[in-house]
Amino acid sequence: EDQVTQSPEALRLQEGESSSLNCSYTVSGLRGLFWYRQDPGKGPEFLFTLYSAGEEKEKERLKATLTKKESFLHITAPKPEDSATYLCAVLTYNNNDMRFGAGTRLTVKP
Amino acid sequence: DADVTQTPRNRITKTGKRIMLECSQTKGHDRMYWYRQDPGLGLQLIYYSFDVKDINKGEISDGYSVSRQAQAKFSLSLESAIPNQTALYFCATSDTGQFNEQFFGPGTRLTVL
Repeated sequence: EDQVTQSPEALRLQEGESSSLNCSYTVSGLRGLFWYRQDPGKGPEFLFTLYSAGEEKEKERLKATLTKKESFLHITAPKPEDSATYLCAVLTYNNNDMRFGAGTRLTVKP
Repeated sequence: DADVTQTPRNRITKTGKRIMLECSQTKGHDRMYWYRQDPGLGLQLIYYSFDVKDINKGEISDGYSVSRQAQAKFSLSLESAIPNQTALYFCATSDTGQFNEQFFGPGTRLTVL
């Protein structure tokens, strides 16, 4: 069965303290891995899609990377407005649906 | 105006009642989805539709049904609500040509007493 595990569940950082969020997956035939950001009381907002191992994408202070077993979301010099829950999801060749991880709740303190 | 809207935003109902949650979109996308979100479990797919004539079950479809009334409208029904269906429900859309970059609505918070 396809599984997506995110760690840590929660992460507290000081403003400017860089760190990484992990998304590990066990699926048969990865079509794509997605990162979303979710603010409290809102629906998730799309950040990145990664298709193959070695691929990297960046957006402002965020950089997503992908290997054959996991993806990292690197946050460089975070600001309080980066506080949110970050979700990863996988799409496989076996299914036409998305499997989401439980998310990492990031808090950045000023 | 929001691209993906959901009504109602909040609903409290009793066990055994029939409930319908509605989703409308102005993005012109063919694909629409219903998810539920529970604390600590992430998002789980209930149903999805790739066009008006196409309906597919997701991970957790038992106890739910859907109707795709038009390209822009996708409704989720709970025929006989039960307390463990208390959750946050999200509708999402994606473009057929895109690799499932999904756009989410604001969510409906449903409480079943």
